[in-house]
Amino acid sequence: EAQVTQNPRYLITVTGKKLTVTCSQNMNHEYMSWYRQDPGLGLRQIYYSMNVEVTDKGDVPEGYKVSRKEKRNFPLILESPSPNQTSLYFCASSFRNLRGYEQYFGPGTRLTVT
Amino acid sequence: EDKVVQSPLSLVVHEGDTVTLNCSYEVTNFRSLLWYKQEKKAPTFLFMLTSSGIEKKSGRLSSILDKKELFSILNITATQTGDSAVYLCAVEESGTYKYIFGTGTRLKVLA
Repeated sequence: EAQVTQNPRYLITVTGKKLTVTCSQNMNHEYMSWYRQDPGLGLRQIYYSMNVEVTDKGDVPEGYKVSRKEKRNFPLILESPSPNQTSLYFCASSFRNLRGYEQYFGPGTRLTVT
Repeated sequence: EDKVVQSPLSLVVHEGDTVTLNCSYEVTNFRSLLWYKQEKKAPTFLFMLTSSGIEKKSGRLSSILDKKELFSILNITATQTGDSAVYLCAVEESGTYKYIFGTGTRLKVLA
């Protein structure tokens, strides 16, 4: 089944404790992206990757890191989480067709930083 | 600053009604506009529009883009309770692979 998977789905952690949220897709998509979703602010793009070893900042990259060593994986790293990073996080992957990129989202990771 | 604005913020209708959701945008380098449906989970793709005036249809849902006036509408006819969700509009920037999302329209369809 074609899908985007994220782990963990739920995480409660403390300020300053490094964490990684994994994202994997089995569709051989080139493009992958991370978003956070907060009430009243909608989805905001954190980082995106156009292919292996190619990443760039989205609108809210502060406090996050990413890497793209393999095409299928795009982990999101919070080196020193803070309470303002409490949010719902989505990973997405997409393929390019003649009209543009069509994104498919993972199930989401709800992160709480205390 | 690039932005995508959706209206109304929320909407309550009865089954069988027709609804129109609006999305306007100010994005420097437009490539495409996308509509998503989000229930209590991840957004699911509905439509992608790149050209003005061509209506996309999928069953009771349809969408159209006006690149001159910088807006899109999503129509849902004969609404059902299963249409209750948040509908998200996003614009893809050309050349940057960035997406800018609106805050969504929350639709509730009453039986």
